[in-house]
Amino acid sequence: DTGVSQDPRHKITKRGQNVTFRCDPISEHNRLYWYRQTLGQGPEFLTYFQNEAQLEKSRLLSDRFSAERPKGSFSTLEIQRTEQGDSAMYLCASSPAQSLYGYTFGSGTRLTVV
Amino acid sequence: AQTVTQSQPEMSVQEAETVTLSCTYDTSESDYYLFWYKQPPSRQMILVIRQEAYKQQNATENRFSVNFQKAAKSFSLKISDSQLGDAAMYFCAFSNYTGGFKTIFGAGTRLFVKA
Repeated sequence: DTGVSQDPRHKITKRGQNVTFRCDPISEHNRLYWYRQTLGQGPEFLTYFQNEAQLEKSRLLSDRFSAERPKGSFSTLEIQRTEQGDSAMYLCASSPAQSLYGYTFGSGTRLTVV
Repeated sequence: AQTVTQSQPEMSVQEAETVTLSCTYDTSESDYYLFWYKQPPSRQMILVIRQEAYKQQNATENRFSVNFQKAAKSFSLKISDSQLGDAAMYFCAFSNYTGGFKTIFGAGTRLFVKA
């Protein structure tokens, strides 16, 4: 297992375009989390899954954002009609369901909206 | 709602010296977990150390140790014998069973290590 993988590492898109990011968690981890991090700030929670169920969404996650985790494996985060304010690092993390030893993070996807 | 506050945007330390990063948090819960994460420049975030709130003993991981003061809701990180590789952003974080172990992060402290 190579840890948590995120793809792509960088994405530049024009305002108004749709983008989709992918996260592959550690295979034994039931929980998967998405966070957004802007420059010089700590990560902000967006949403999380336990297996395939999306159990919580932050108010930060407007209706332009949607996340899925089909079959409880990889997850995708889609942003529709991107805005310049969406420019940020999008982090994925995973953890086992029944313990809290901390998250394993991916390297993130840096989104730039021009 | 839980909050995590890191009041030091930047800190610097001389190589081989000791530095302490501060963190305070606010919660009405009695059972929770606290973490310090390290984010090196352009690299992924990694867990440094973890503390369970019901344990009075402060956690230690090699050169990293914490000072956990539950009543004061304080959770500082001490780095001993600082190394150049310790230069990074350090985030204090809070999590508990409610909300699916959702973790709340502070704004971070950037640590510079001088050779």
